[in-house]
Amino acid sequence: NAGVTQTPKFQVLKTGQSMTLQCAQDMNHEYMSWYRQDPGMGLRLIHYSVGAGITDQGEVPNGYNVSRSTTEDFPLRLLSAAPSQTSVYFCASRTGYGNQPQHFGDGTRLSIL
Amino acid sequence: KQEVTQIPAALSVPEGENLVLNCSFTDSAIYNLQWFRQDPGKGLTSLLLIQSSQREQTSGRLNASLDKSSGRSTLYIAASQPGDSATYLCAVRPNYGGSQGNLIFGKGTKLSVKP
Repeated sequence: NAGVTQTPKFQVLKTGQSMTLQCAQDMNHEYMSWYRQDPGMGLRLIHYSVGAGITDQGEVPNGYNVSRSTTEDFPLRLLSAAPSQTSVYFCASRTGYGNQPQHFGDGTRLSIL
Repeated sequence: KQEVTQIPAALSVPEGENLVLNCSFTDSAIYNLQWFRQDPGKGLTSLLLIQSSQREQTSGRLNASLDKSSGRSTLYIAASQPGDSATYLCAVRPNYGGSQGNLIFGKGTKLSVKP
């Protein structure tokens, strides 16, 4: 009964470093998305995917890449980290059909120095 | 562009009080509306989902209402408890003619229930 699993939970990077935030779900959900949460800004959509092999940009995509090679996994890549990317990142998933709730992971807290 | 607003940003009440959290949205073309709870340092937990054709949903001490025409939703919490202290987030899924659509969030109401 894992739901949406995000790793790592915490990470500190230096400016210019790269890293991948992992997200996996075991509910066979077609739809997955990445949000960032910043104080005073609420949650903002970074990228999303409606199925394996299909991704699209959200509200704040710059500086982030995604891919969806399997239904289960949706990693988020920071190619060259910047201090402005210090945030809490949440991965979410839901079925692509009907009125079903969106499920969220516990988040990755990322600090970039 | 759809915008979601939650008022107040913070609320402090004594234990046992009934309370209402407010959520408003600018575009009535929504597929559904979802209320979440977020504890400090944690992820989001779905509380209630109201379909666009529904007026309200209930779960235990929680009752959420939806008035699509006026662009408003309320979350009613009965007999509040200190364990209800958390940030409550409202999110709408726009209606794009199908089941797709990304959630658009309000900034949340931080609730504190004092013993």
